[in-house]
Amino acid sequence: QKEVEQNSGPLSVPEGAIASLNCTYSDRGSQSFFWYRQYSGKSPELIMSIYSNGDKEDGRFTAQLNKASQYVSLLIRDSQPSDSATYLCAVNTQGAQKLVFGQGTRLTINP
Amino acid sequence: DVKVTQSSRYLVKRTGEKVFLECVQDMDHENMFWYRQDPGLGLRLIYFSYDVKMKEKGDIPEGYSVSREKKERFSLILESASTNQTSMYLCASRFNYEQYFGPGTRLTVT
Repeated sequence: QKEVEQNSGPLSVPEGAIASLNCTYSDRGSQSFFWYRQYSGKSPELIMSIYSNGDKEDGRFTAQLNKASQYVSLLIRDSQPSDSATYLCAVNTQGAQKLVFGQGTRLTINP
Repeated sequence: DVKVTQSSRYLVKRTGEKVFLECVQDMDHENMFWYRQDPGLGLRLIYFSYDVKMKEKGDIPEGYSVSREKKERFSLILESASTNQTSMYLCASRFNYEQYFGPGTRLTVT
């Protein structure tokens, strides 16, 4: 079992709709959770961090964390074509200095 | 704003050459990381450093070494470049658990 799993996609969403991206992780000791956006040919850009159960909102983005079920999700409201990218989920275990990344979900927003 | 820079965006080297990739951060971060990213394999950690002159192997250290003589600079060295090291190389630095990436170096070894 991979440590961090994401559906590779592609996930296709119409413009203006809500895009929902999911990630599950295997290590129950994980403490910190991150979403990165990566455009083709570019480096990953941190867009959300979440550390406690529940929702965290930042503009059109909402991160949701459920430690009991070991999943973290990212919702993008009012999706725009500029949101088309690969989204990487990353998880940090307590005391560990490195992140474990998922393979990424490719998201396409259709005008 | 966090700023991580890498010495080159694109690099072409020949098999057997010694290659230096440099990464600089200006935020006084202690932790820095080198990854490579390949289609279908995702991001893989090569080495990381948690202080000056301190380093730890990541998941795929073979064929690579690193140097961290100053806090702001972390170098990745390919001792003898091979074609299977053709990849996108990404440097990151960490602050409060959050990692920030540089723009990446696309290395081609011919």
